[in-house]
Amino acid sequence: QVQLVESGGGLVKAGGSLRLSCAASGFALSDYYMTWMRQAPGKGLEFVSYSTHDENIIYHAVSLKGRFTISRDNARNSLYLQMNSLAADDTATYYCARGSSRGQPPGYDSFDTWGRGTMVTVSS
Amino acid sequence: FELTQPPSVSVSPGQTASISCSGDQSAIKYVSWYQQKPGQSPVLVVKHHWKGPSGILERFSGSNSGNTATLTISGTQTLDEAVYYCQAWDSRTVVFGGGTKLTVL
Repeated sequence: QVQLVESGGGLVKAGGSLRLSCAASGFALSDYYMTWMRQAPGKGLEFVSYSTHDENIIYHAVSLKGRFTISRDNARNSLYLQMNSLAADDTATYYCARGSSRGQPPGYDSFDTWGRGTMVTVSS
Repeated sequence: FELTQPPSVSVSPGQTASISCSGDQSAIKYVSWYQQKPGQSPVLVVKHHWKGPSGILERFSGSNSGNTATLTISGTQTLDEAVYYCQAWDSRTVVFGGGTKLTVL
């Protein structure tokens, strides 16, 4: 079945880096746009980053100020999020989610499959 | 832009629940809705479709009018208790509403 599994979260000190991974199964990553979202404890959902199937279009939340980078390895069916210069307010559960299939116009996606998330805790 | 949702909505079992989401009129046409239960990941319940909102789960439907999108849950059950988020796009950014806690009592 269609599934997304995130990994790579953990406890990191402020100023440090982490790389999150999202393993996709049950579908070909190369056929879909993908995104990272996050949710701070007790808070709502927040957009982080977005990539079309071929990485030709990539969006990042402006609030991240260029600290995070989304990438993918379609051959490995995996999505990544490189996070640098982490701060306390980056503490959250990070989810990867599947967007539209390729061929659809980017920037109008619904997200029909979400992983269970990986927790990132940044200590100050 | 922002998407504005009421913080909470209450409904009796078996009744119809409605949750609103207000924002930019051009973006509201493409709103999707998600359900999130405590400790779980979000689940898509109404998908934006070029022809209009499309319910993914039975009993869930969406509609748009002007600058407001509405999620409707028919025959609400206790298992529908959750936080519901609307979602749209603003240029190159995904935007979520603040979430509405649905209580069934």
